[in-house]
Amino acid sequence: QITLRESGPTLVKPTQTLTLTCSFSGFSLSTSGVGVGWIRQPPGKALEWLAVIYWDDDERFSPSLKTRLTITKDTSKNQVVLTMTNMDPVDTATYYCAHGDYINYGVYFDYWGQGTLVTVSS
Amino acid sequence: QSVLTQPPSASGTPGQRVTISCSGSSSNIGSNIVNWYQQLPRTAPKLLIYSNNQRPSGVPDRFSGSKSGTSASLAISGLQSEDEADYYCATWDDSLNAHVFGTGTKVTVL
Repeated sequence: QITLRESGPTLVKPTQTLTLTCSFSGFSLSTSGVGVGWIRQPPGKALEWLAVIYWDDDERFSPSLKTRLTITKDTSKNQVVLTMTNMDPVDTATYYCAHGDYINYGVYFDYWGQGTLVTVSS
Repeated sequence: QSVLTQPPSASGTPGQRVTISCSGSSSNIGSNIVNWYQQLPRTAPKLLIYSNNQRPSGVPDRFSGSKSGTSASLAISGLQSEDEADYYCATWDDSLNAHVFGTGTKVTVL
């Protein structure tokens, strides 16, 4: 049974750095074809993909946020950490992590965490 | 501003068939698989269709996906009240080198 859970601060101040941890079970991020992605959703708005890290350490980022994001994995702890620098109120959103299956010509996210709402405000 | 365009809303009465379109380009839908996600109110998204037309275990066969050229579609046949949700298409974009989600479609059961 695959489960994922996001954790981190619920409130951050503008210009601060956000650090979110995705703790998962039921799979290994060292298994070929597996990835963990981050997706966010501002209140009342659409989903926005942020980043993904794969079993082979390949990392991909949203072009519009690339300079602000880092993603790391700790295979032994079954965790993936996303950091986003220089937070702004427009970054207020629910942040999800998800298990990804990489196949030819794409990846799909078949298991999702419940999400964590991060509010950016002074 | 997403590169995948969906109609903002769609609706139907119980039992009807509803179709949602997802329009893209040669660098995304035209080159890669399309996936569909269902997001019920106040819940995390759920994978509904993967690899254009495959249903994960547990997804009713009322849901079906298709792709042609640079567009994809999700069809819901035998619409039920519990299908009222937001639906998103998604794929990889080779030009952006990024995963992209569609603008989302809210399905209402009248």
